[in-house]
Order: sequence, then C-alpha cells, then structure tokens
Amino acid sequence: EAQVTQNPRYLITVTGKKLTVTCSQNMNHEYMSWYRQDPGLGLRQIYYSMNVEVTDKGDVPEGYKVSRKEKRNFPLILESPSPNQTSLYFCASRTAANTGELFFGEGSRLTVL
Amino acid sequence: AQSVTQPDIHITVSEGASLELRCNYSYGATPYLFWYVQSPGQGLQLLLKYFSGDTLVQGIKGFEAEFKRSQSSFNLRKPSVHWSDAAEYFCAVGEYGNKLVFGAGTILRVKS
Repeated sequence: EAQVTQNPRYLITVTGKKLTVTCSQNMNHEYMSWYRQDPGLGLRQIYYSMNVEVTDKGDVPEGYKVSRKEKRNFPLILESPSPNQTSLYFCASRTAANTGELFFGEGSRLTVL
Repeated sequence: AQSVTQPDIHITVSEGASLELRCNYSYGATPYLFWYVQSPGQGLQLLLKYFSGDTLVQGIKGFEAEFKRSQSSFNLRKPSVHWSDAAEYFCAVGEYGNKLVFGAGTILRVKS
C-alpha cells in the first residue's frame, strides 16, 4: 500500500529536549515536505526536499532542521524545542512534477511543555 | 507572494442540501489549484485539482470545483451533502517551483 508513515503520532516533551519526527514514504517520490498545522493558520511549510541531499527552507523554518540522506526518509529535527512549536505536523511527498498530488502522512501531534 | 483566502471558518449544512465552499487566491500567473479534505485524526487527501483546460473539474466523492479567473476563485461544490462529508477542507495554490500555499481551512458540519 502506498503510504507516508510518520512517527511518533503523539509526543509530549519538555523545552530543550531534542527530538526527531521520522517520515518515510514507499512511493519512490522525489519531493518531500514538512508542514505544521495550527488553528486558523492552515498548513505552513517548514522545509522541503527536491531529492536526496537537496533541502530548502519553507515559510517557517526557524527552530527546525531536516536531512535527506535517503530518498524514502525525511526526518524533522527539533534541536531545542520550545512551547511555540506545539503543533500538528504533517509530512508529505509527491513526484518531481509540481502539479502532482501531495500524499500526506497521518500527522504527528507534538506538545512542548 | 501568492495567498489563499477561505472566507468561511465554519459552515453547517443539512444532510442532502447543496454545498459551496469558497476559495479566493492571489497569484500573478495561471495557478495550479487544489482542494484537499482532512477527516478528523487523518492526513489530507486530494479531492481535485486544476491546472489548465476545462474550468469545471470533477473530483472524488462527488465534489466539483470551478475556476473563475475573473474572480480569482476556485469554489468547491457538492449537490447533496452526506454526513460523512463532515471534515475540514483546504484550498491550496501551487506556485511555479515547489511551493504549495494552503488556505486556513473551512470546517464543514453536517446536520442530520
């Protein structure tokens, strides 16, 4: 089954404790992206990757890091989480064509205390 | 920079009634336009998309949308709403390159 898998789905952590949210897709997609969803703001792009070893900032990259060492994986790293990073995070992937459908993971709800 | 406006935060319709969700965008060139749906606890799923050609596009689950360049709109419609359509709906505009800008979303409630 074609899917984007995120882990963990739910996480409560404390300020400053480094964490990683993993994302893996099995569709051989070139493009992957991370979004955060906040009430009233819709989805905002954090980082995206056009292909292996190619990443770029989205609209709200501050406080986040990503890496793309393999085509299927695109982890999101919060080096020192802060309460304003409490949010619902989505990973998504698609083919290289920017007219293609974005396939989304089920989301990771992160709470930073 | 392009932007997407969904004027209605919440909409409530009765089951069986027709539905129209509004979407206005700001973009200089011909946009790529999408509608996604998010069911509770789920990721987003593509309903339909418009790139060029016929301005009335059909999607899954009986939805359709019409691109109106003169009004910078891409409204989503369904002739008869089912209770299972209750969800949050997002309009999105694709920018040349790789950016997809989402609206703030419209939450649809369906009354039985």
